Amino acid sequence: DAGITQSPRHKVTETGTPVTLRCHQTENHRYMYWYRQDPGHGLRLIHYSYGVKDTDKGEVSDGYSVSRSKTEDFLLTLESATSSQTSVYFCAISEGTSGEYNEQFFGPGTRLTVL
Amino acid sequence: AQSVTQLDSHVSVSEGTPVLLRCNYSSSYSPSLFWYVQHPNKGLQLLLKYTSAATLVKGINGFEAEFKKSETSFHLTKPSAHMSDAAEYFCVVSDNFNKFYFGSGTKLNVKP
Repeated sequence: DAGITQSPRHKVTETGTPVTLRCHQTENHRYMYWYRQDPGHGLRLIHYSYGVKDTDKGEVSDGYSVSRSKTEDFLLTLESATSSQTSVYFCAISEGTSGEYNEQFFGPGTRLTVL
Repeated sequence: AQSVTQLDSHVSVSEGTPVLLRCNYSSSYSPSLFWYVQHPNKGLQLLLKYTSAATLVKGINGFEAEFKKSETSFHLTKPSAHMSDAAEYFCVVSDNFNKFYFGSGTKLNVKP
């Protein structure tokens, strides 16, 4: 299994509080991604990173920010959590080359509940 | 633009019968295509991938998929379903910029 960890694995928080989720990889892959998974929607991309300090928005980025100061860490921050952000969050990594090596590996997920 | 449509949100089969999960894609590029499986309360595991080497792709656990460019399809099949195949399956297309686009998923139920 690819070396990807997420922390925390479970979190319950209250509306309006800031929340930071951490993704850590030991594979030295260039690309890192944050997704949220909700029933009936598959996985939707929040933000992704194509290198240290290089990030871009995905399709559901409103209310989220990210940072990547080291290759191995990608942080997702909810500045002021809302109940609509209750979801399961997955981190993924990709080596970033085309063809055979172009696949994603996923972390175990973080279940976030915003009350 | 890239997108994926999984044609069935739920599929139910009996153990020992064939499985067919349908996926159509739209891509502006020569696509990379993937199938992932997610068992209940688990993460995502790669079943198989297509990256232009061969149109019939074999994956883990007896699954395979055929890339049909003329039909823009990448359907997932298995000759004989097993109870352990019950899970949610996601079809994914990748563009040339290392972004991945997920279908909404197909939940496979396997009846004894």
